Amino acid sequence: QKEVEQDPGPLSVPEGAIVSLNCTYSNSAFQYFMWYRQYSRKGPELLMYTYSSGNKEDGRFTAQVDKSSKYISLFIRDSQPSDSATYLCAIFPPNDYKLSFGAGTTVTVRA
Amino acid sequence: NAGVTQTPKFRVLKTGQSMTLLCAQDMNHEYMYWYRQDPGMGLRLIHYSVGEGTTAKGEVPDGYNVSRLKKQNFLLGLESAAPSQTSVYFCASSYPGTALRGTEAFFGQGTRLTVV
Repeated sequence: QKEVEQDPGPLSVPEGAIVSLNCTYSNSAFQYFMWYRQYSRKGPELLMYTYSSGNKEDGRFTAQVDKSSKYISLFIRDSQPSDSATYLCAIFPPNDYKLSFGAGTTVTVRA
Repeated sequence: NAGVTQTPKFRVLKTGQSMTLLCAQDMNHEYMYWYRQDPGMGLRLIHYSVGEGTTAKGEVPDGYNVSRLKKQNFLLGLESAAPSQTSVYFCASSYPGTALRGTEAFFGQGTRLTVV
């Protein structure tokens, strides 16, 4: 079982819609959760991170962690065509050195 | 302010040929990683290094070797390329992280490798 699982999509939404992306993780000891954004033919870049449970907002983006169900989510409000990208969730396991990534979900926002 | 630089950006190899991918970072990061990215598979870790002179296997190490002779460089070698190694390869670097503090990985632009 992979440490973090993500539905690869793809996901296509009209401009202005709310985008909802989800991942599940396997180990309840994980405490640090990240979302990376990757534009076509580019390397991934860190978008947001959260610790433990709860929500974190950054402009139109909200990252959410539900430790009871081992579920992490990313919401994009008022989506724009410039949000079209692949979004990857990632975890940093305790007592380890390497980031583990989900499969990534490709999002297309239609103008 | 280069960040993480990968060389080359594109390469076509014939089955059985060898090549080395070079990754250089100018952020003085201790940790460096090599990932491959395939459709629907996300980023899979090939090898990583937590410091100069150290390397370790990741999730998919078979068919690859690495070396970290200098802190700023991390080399990925393919001794005998196979079509299954056709992929996009990403190098990344980060400062040491913990479960509480976490860390941020900075990625290069990727190397598109095709093995025919």
